[in-house]
Amino acid sequence: GDSVTQMEGPVTLSEEAFLTINCTYTATGYPSLFWYVQYPGEGLQLLLKATKADDKGSNKGFEATYRKETTSFHLEKGSVQVSDSAVYFCALNLGGGADGLTFGKGTHLIIQP
Amino acid sequence: DAGITQSPRHKVTETGTPVTLRCHQTENHRYMYWYRQDPGHGLRLIHYSYGVKDTDKGEVSDGYSVSRSKTEDFLLTLESATSSQTSVYFCAIRGGSQNYEQYFGPGTRLTVT
Repeated sequence: GDSVTQMEGPVTLSEEAFLTINCTYTATGYPSLFWYVQYPGEGLQLLLKATKADDKGSNKGFEATYRKETTSFHLEKGSVQVSDSAVYFCALNLGGGADGLTFGKGTHLIIQP
Repeated sequence: DAGITQSPRHKVTETGTPVTLRCHQTENHRYMYWYRQDPGHGLRLIHYSYGVKDTDKGEVSDGYSVSRSKTEDFLLTLESATSSQTSVYFCAIRGGSQNYEQYFGPGTRLTVT
């Protein structure tokens, strides 16, 4: 079946460091790909998305490129801030019918001042 | 803000008691979902709905039932709560675009003692 694999962490970085959170997927078709962010005590917020190969999603300084050849959708940010501390989830959806999202297990990111 | 509310936000109940969680949306979305979030598992789909009285099972549906008698309300029922159902429950709706992104409610933290 479909699955998403991401590094679980916690990932600890200093403020202004470069961030990469890896995400790879297995899917039978051509999924749409998403990154969600969850701040402490809150629900999930859609961070960015990409719907086809080579698409780049971006939002709030975060970027991710849909790489079909490596089945990957790695999340990057050039300079992280303490306020970026959160749990980040990679997810996919094949887009047919009413199917739900398939999520990775989440990566806990901690940014130290 | 996708206009999603969940109630209650927190609940403690005893093993064997029935529990109903409510998800309410104000924007007339057709598709609604229930997920549970557990450490080390990310989010997993319990049930989903593709219209009034139209529902189907997700990955972890055992022990749960759902009902949707109105477009705006999607109810999740634990017929006889067990400690393994202690979790955070999230409701989601599917956005109106063709990209199949989902928007989440604030969550309900359920503890079964």
